[in-house]
Amino acid sequence: DTEVTQTPKHLVMGMTNKKSLKCEQHMGHRAMYWYKQKAKKPPELMFVYSYEKLSINESVPSRFSPECPNSSLLNLHLHALQPEDSALYLCASSQGRGNNSPLHFGNGTRLTVT
Amino acid sequence: SQQGEEDPQALSIQEGENATMNCSYKTSINNLQWYRQNSGRGLVHLILIRSNEREKHSGRLRVTLDTSKKSSSLLITASRAADTASYFCATVLNTGFQKLVFGTGTRLLVSP
Repeated sequence: DTEVTQTPKHLVMGMTNKKSLKCEQHMGHRAMYWYKQKAKKPPELMFVYSYEKLSINESVPSRFSPECPNSSLLNLHLHALQPEDSALYLCASSQGRGNNSPLHFGNGTRLTVT
Repeated sequence: SQQGEEDPQALSIQEGENATMNCSYKTSINNLQWYRQNSGRGLVHLILIRSNEREKHSGRLRVTLDTSKKSSSLLITASRAADTASYFCATVLNTGFQKLVFGTGTRLLVSP
C-alpha cells in the first residue's frame, strides 16, 4: 500500500462526461504532481503544484483541469476527453521545492474514454 | 527532449543472477533517481544519486553515475522473482522545482 491514495482505481467515461480524479496524501508534503502513463511507456509529467500553487503546466490541453484545494488534496477535473486520453493517471507528492526529495506515487487511476 | 534512454528495453534472467540496466540522458542534471513499477501499479522510489556522487548502494542495489558520459547504471545483485518489474531512471533538471523526467524504462523478468 502507498501513502498516496488515488480514487477511483478505475474509471470509464464517455466523451461528453465530466468526471474528477482525486488524490490525497497526509505526509505533510508540499509538492504534488499529476503524471499520465500510456501502456509500456514512461510516465509523462502533466502538472506540478508547489505550496498549493500551480508551478508547472506541461502544455496540457484545457480538457484537463487541475485543482489543489489544500496541501493534502489534488484533483484532476476531466471534461470532453478523447479516446486517446485513455491511460493510467498517477498522482505523486514530495516534500517541497527542493530538488532532492523523491516522489511518492499513488497506484493510479486507470481511465478509459469511450 | 530531456527524456532518458534506457537499455536494454527488456531483460530476462534467472533467479540468483545479477541484472544491470543502463540509462543515458541529454542535459545537465541536479540528481538522478531510479524507480520501480510493478505492472499496473504506481512507481516506487529506489535510490537517488546526486550529480556530485559517483556510486551509491542500497541493499542489493548499486547505482553509478558518470556525468561526463551522461549515463547511469542500476545493478541488482542476486535477483529474485519478486524483482520482476519495470525500472525507470528519472532525471531532475537544475530548476527550482522538482521536474522529474522519466527514461524509457527496462522491463525485467526474473524466472524462478
